[in-house]
Amino acid sequence: NAGVTQTPKFQVLKTGQSMTLQCAQDMNHEYMSWYRQDPGMGLRLIHYSVGAGITDQGEVPNGYNVSRSTTEDFPLRLLSAAPSQTSVYFCASSPTVRQGPSYEQYFGPGTRLTVT
Amino acid sequence: AQTVTQSQPEMSVQEAETVTLSCTYDTSESDYYLFWYKQPPSRQMILVIRQEAYKQQNATENRFSVNFQKAAKSFSLKISDSQLGDAAMYFCAYRSGWRNSGGSNYKLTFGKGTLLTVNP
Repeated sequence: NAGVTQTPKFQVLKTGQSMTLQCAQDMNHEYMSWYRQDPGMGLRLIHYSVGAGITDQGEVPNGYNVSRSTTEDFPLRLLSAAPSQTSVYFCASSPTVRQGPSYEQYFGPGTRLTVT
Repeated sequence: AQTVTQSQPEMSVQEAETVTLSCTYDTSESDYYLFWYKQPPSRQMILVIRQEAYKQQNATENRFSVNFQKAAKSFSLKISDSQLGDAAMYFCAYRSGWRNSGGSNYKLTFGKGTLLTVNP
C-alpha cells in the first residue's frame, strides 16, 4: 500500500512551457485534491474531484487544468507555466462520506516546481 | 467562506517544556472539523490531532492536546514535554461537516502556519 504518490519530486520549467504533475493513490478514495503551498500562505486548494469524471475548482484554479478518468489518478496540468506558479504542490485524497466515516486526508510527498 | 488565522508565525520552546500554538477560525456553520497538521523539513504533511465541533471534550493524542473553545472560535494546540522531533511547521485546518451539502465538504482551509523551533 503506497498511499498517495506524486511524480516528479522536483521540476524546473521555463516560462511558457507546459507540464503535468502526476498523482496516484491506491486506497480507492473517491475524493482527490490539489493544493499549492507558498511561503507565508499556507496551503491553498487548486482543484478537487469527488469521483471519476467529476472535478471542480478550488480557491486558486487559474492556469491549471485537471481531469479524473480513473479513481486512482488525478493529474494536474500547467497549461503555460508562469513564474507565479513556482510553488510546492501537494496532492491529497480521502474517502467520501458514502465510502464510510472519513476524517483524515492523506497527502502525497509534494512536488517542488520552479518556473524561470 | 471560512477563514483560519494563526497569529504566531514563529514560536520556540526548550526541550521538555510545554508550548501552545494558537488558531482562530471564522465560520457560520455549526457542523465542522478542526485539525492540526505537522510539516517537518521532509515536507510530508502529518495529521497530529482532530476535533469534531459537536464534541465538547477536548481531543488528546499522547503529548498533544487541544483547547477547543467553540463560542470563541478558538482551537489551540498544546505540546507537552517537547522533543527535538517536534520541530516543524504546524498548520491549523478547517473542514465542513457532513451535514453541509456539496463536494466541498472535503475541502480543507488552512492557516498560514506556525514554525516551531525546539531548543536543546
